[in-house]
Amino acid sequence: DIVMTQSPLSLSVTPGEPASISCRSSQSLHNYLDWYLQKPGQSPQLLIYLLSNRASGVPERFSGSGSGTDFTLKISRVEAEDVGVYYCTQSLEAPRTFGQGTKLEI
Amino acid sequence: QVQLQESGPGLLKPSETLSLTCTVSGDSVSGYYWNWIRQSAGKGLEWIGRFYSSDNIKYNPSLYSRVTMSVDASKNRFSLQLKFVTAADTAVYYCVRGKLHSGYYFYFDYWGRGTLVTVSS
Repeated sequence: DIVMTQSPLSLSVTPGEPASISCRSSQSLHNYLDWYLQKPGQSPQLLIYLLSNRASGVPERFSGSGSGTDFTLKISRVEAEDVGVYYCTQSLEAPRTFGQGTKLEI
Repeated sequence: QVQLQESGPGLLKPSETLSLTCTVSGDSVSGYYWNWIRQSAGKGLEWIGRFYSSDNIKYNPSLYSRVTMSVDASKNRFSLQLKFVTAADTAVYYCVRGKLHSGYYFYFDYWGRGTLVTVSS
């Protein structure tokens, strides 16, 4: 299985400041990397698919980048509604695997 | 609007069979990859498997021998069976739709609210 490793595991950010979450895979994913956000008390929701494509309704302050085995999710200016746990996941092959999650707090 | 609703027993004893149903409303089950994903405190998010058609099913190798998934298109439902459960199977189980984007790639576009399944004697 492809192992996904996120860092940091928790992040405290002041509103209006940027945030960055790193995700590393145990083998090259090409562009098959997606990001999900699980807001408190909710199911995960799609943020970014295929490395850098924002899902419908996702604000432009969210961006995904990277290549090979190293990927980054950036929030240009954090807002209060961005709190939750962010997960990266590889969509290259089965079984789909997820990172441990990064908890973002304000 | 697409909605997914998981249902099934919330409490099982070790060695029993977990049976969950996902009722889909707002769209047909046809043409999508239907997934079960579970979330536990110990293992985070774990993909259990997915069903596209009766000849296009994939299970997580870690659960392969115990899992069966199926779709009932006439009832717009997706089902999961997990045999011989243990305490390690205690988790919130999500029904998740996979939308095909290109080639064989799909992303998870709709998630159910999840149902907690506890395995305890």
